[in-house]
Amino acid sequence: EPEVTQTPSHQVTQMGQEVILRCVPISNHLYFYWYRQILGQKVEFLVSFYNNEISEKSEIFDDQFSVERPDGSNFTLKIRSTKLEDSAMYFCASSPRYLNQPQHFGDGTRLSIL
Amino acid sequence: EDKVVQSPLSLVVHEGDTVTLNCSYEVTNFRSLLWYKQEKKAPTFLFMLTSSGIEKKSGRLSSILDKKELFSILNITATQTGDSAVYLCAVGTSYGKLTFGQGTILTVHP
Repeated sequence: EPEVTQTPSHQVTQMGQEVILRCVPISNHLYFYWYRQILGQKVEFLVSFYNNEISEKSEIFDDQFSVERPDGSNFTLKIRSTKLEDSAMYFCASSPRYLNQPQHFGDGTRLSIL
Repeated sequence: EDKVVQSPLSLVVHEGDTVTLNCSYEVTNFRSLLWYKQEKKAPTFLFMLTSSGIEKKSGRLSSILDKKELFSILNITATQTGDSAVYLCAVGTSYGKLTFGQGTILTVHP
């Protein structure tokens, strides 16, 4: 069964450094998403992306964050200057459409900021 | 602000028991309600509900949505130790954004 794959599984970075989290969505999916889950808290929506544009973003997704689909398969989340509070599990998800189609999640990247 | 609340927060049962997990929501632009199972890593999709009163079933799991009262339940019958996980309820709105509840931690003892 097709899967969403994310790399790396764990990223350790110094505060203030840039980090790029990578995702390969399911191949025929058109909608892409990033979520994060701080330890012990709810899964939170960051951003949705369709047709090479951001469709919606949350208040968390400020100017430090950006997303890109650099080629036909990858979908990346960049954090420009990481803060301690960015430490979380970051999940990528994809769906064929946004209406009446479930999102399928990758295994996540655990980001630890030191 | 969109809100999804799950109850109970945790539940401990023995194999063979039946459990009911609850999810209530207050959102604008409701599109769908989804249930996921989260073990160690990725939330795994279980059900997607868009219409009131229509039960979705998969093996020992079933779920139903009440759009008038704004809640959903997930039932698991004849629980097994492999059902131990965090069960997440999420509501889909607008451009596919999912708003999650805090999850119910289910522990099934042999």
